[in-house]
Amino acid sequence: ETGVTQSPTHLIKTRGQQVTLRCSSQSGHNTVSWYQQALGQGPQFIFQYYREEENGRGNFPPRFSGLQFPNYSSELNVNALELDDSALYLCASSTRGSGILYEQYFGPGTRLTVT
Amino acid sequence: GQNIDQPTEMTATEGAIVQINCTYQTSGFNGLFWYQQHAGEAPTFLSYNVLDGLEEKGRFSSFLSRSKGYSYLLLKELQMKDSASYLCAVRDLRATGKLIFGQGTTLQVKP
Repeated sequence: ETGVTQSPTHLIKTRGQQVTLRCSSQSGHNTVSWYQQALGQGPQFIFQYYREEENGRGNFPPRFSGLQFPNYSSELNVNALELDDSALYLCASSTRGSGILYEQYFGPGTRLTVT
Repeated sequence: GQNIDQPTEMTATEGAIVQINCTYQTSGFNGLFWYQQHAGEAPTFLSYNVLDGLEEKGRFSSFLSRSKGYSYLLLKELQMKDSASYLCAVRDLRATGKLIFGQGTTLQVKP
């Protein structure tokens, strides 16, 4: 157990809909990164939030957006869902200090299925 | 470009030793991680290398050669519960420190 929690565990949506996924970071961690993991593939970096601001983004379209709250929890929002968005969405929390990002701890993930 | 290569699948016998290789080509390097991921679960941290050489942690060891862009994870005294996917990931040198993952190696341990 890493202390990182995600909700919901599973979700089924229809193409074109919108979805919000949530992540609570481990106590003391100020940075949250989101990854998308398609079946049989390694996780792909979506973006990272540090102190409530986006701090880097991977190769994902603008319909993927996020938020980080003062308590460092985070949301991932995906608009206009496409079939290819079906994946496991992982949240990873870590601590950033002196410009260094320390080890990332992963939550259990949210399995999103788009039909 | 950024590229991380691992074998897709490996099979080994309970009690044996297995080595999972990883080669990488990335624009920046700030450490290499190995994670274990059981089906449907989150990746869990196994090891971290930032300098060349071998890091040992119980039954698991990881090796890094930065000049060759090469790492391996060595699993000794294999157990059935070691059947899982093993992910090699390079940490980006830039501010985000994002992890760049390989596709993972699915290891099946047989009796």
